[in-house]
Amino acid sequence: NAGVTQTPKFQVLKTGQSMTLQCAQDMNHNSMYWYRQDPGMGLRLIYYSASEGTTDKGEVPNGYNVSRLNKREFSLRLESAAPSQTSVYFCASVLAVMNTEAFFGQGTRLTVV
Amino acid sequence: GIQVEQSPPDLILQEGANSTLRCNFSDSVNNLQWFHQNPWGQLINLFYIPSGTKQNGRLSATTVATERYSLLYISSSQTTDSGVYFCAVEDWRGSTLGRLYFGRGTQLTVWP
Repeated sequence: NAGVTQTPKFQVLKTGQSMTLQCAQDMNHNSMYWYRQDPGMGLRLIYYSASEGTTDKGEVPNGYNVSRLNKREFSLRLESAAPSQTSVYFCASVLAVMNTEAFFGQGTRLTVV
Repeated sequence: GIQVEQSPPDLILQEGANSTLRCNFSDSVNNLQWFHQNPWGQLINLFYIPSGTKQNGRLSATTVATERYSLLYISSSQTTDSGVYFCAVEDWRGSTLGRLYFGRGTQLTVWP
């Protein structure tokens, strides 16, 4: 049982390049989330998917798009990377909203030069 | 959204010492979790504790929801306890159900 799996673990991009961060969970969870973590900060929500087929913006959505491909997979896309998007990205999932425990992937460390 | 404040921001201990980390939140919540972020950056679930007390080995946590705080106790600390400890809460009234609001964390360093 792998839990929440993110790929890649590390990535370096040039400004203007695009890439997709992949996230998959095998816990049959309904809701999935993308957060970013910057130095000295807690995690901030980028986008979330409350259930398969729905996505919505979080606190810091600018410069990102998401796709809930199916119940297991939730991807985050950077269309034109900027240095301000240098961060560590975490995917999380919960069985259902309210009163349930969240589980996180191992993170993707992204550097945009 | 809910404001989450953690204290102290930094804590340095010698191996074997005990410590208490605090998490205050600004409004009532329906979910509170403690995480440990290890030096490799991985977020590890410690406790899911909306209220009451739980224990897991040398770690225990207490949440007093009516007074809007939670405490994480680490006893007989070890060097492997080093890392950042985060408290996160879910605001059940928010438009983003399931979203966790994180504090800035407590950086714990345990010296041998």
